Amino acid sequence: QQPVQSPQAVILREGEDAVINCSSSKALYSVHWYRQKHGEAPVFLMILLKGGEQKGHEKISASFNEKKQQSSLYLTASQLSYSGTYFCGTERGGSTLGRLYFGRGTQLTVWP
Amino acid sequence: DTGVSQDPRHKITKRGQNVTFRCDPISEHNRLYWYRQTLGQGPEFLTYFQNEAQLEKSRLLSDRFSAERPKGSFSTLEIQRTEQGDSAMYLCASSFGSSETQYFGPGTRLLVL
Repeated sequence: QQPVQSPQAVILREGEDAVINCSSSKALYSVHWYRQKHGEAPVFLMILLKGGEQKGHEKISASFNEKKQQSSLYLTASQLSYSGTYFCGTERGGSTLGRLYFGRGTQLTVWP
Repeated sequence: DTGVSQDPRHKITKRGQNVTFRCDPISEHNRLYWYRQTLGQGPEFLTYFQNEAQLEKSRLLSDRFSAERPKGSFSTLEIQRTEQGDSAMYLCASSFGSSETQYFGPGTRLLVL
């Protein structure tokens, strides 16, 4: 039931770009993206809602393909501070609205 | 600006003991969620409240776990007769309604010896 994230890990040099993908086998109402640094709580990055609405970080972009139940997070001109584990949380409609199912995460490491 | 707070931040207990964690959400948020996270995994849903009503409890959650949110403000999560498998980070999050941003607290790290 949890979404599948890919890749599992990414290593970048500062200034390079990265794409993190999230796919679900279930119909989705929204996708939430978080970044978590070691020993800290997940920090909100972005929400993508069914119908095209997006809310979130100005310097991070993402897409949500409702038909394919897939979302991608685009990190451009990466900075050292982007290092961490990125999680997508998927929300389904109906009785489970509000409940998030999280993937296993993508570990991003940015080197100077 | 006060975010979500959790207490304690760390808890070490012996197997068989009971533990209770507290979460104080962002004041205007009516939804409160509990998640559990183990190493190398994403947060796993446990239960959530809308105001004081507990709307859903994960089927993975054993009867040893109970949560309350009296008066729709802070929430407590109790684990009875702890087992070593309960060792994890317990995260609380709050939001203003469904499909809104869930803001996470710093978590309570539990170690059961």
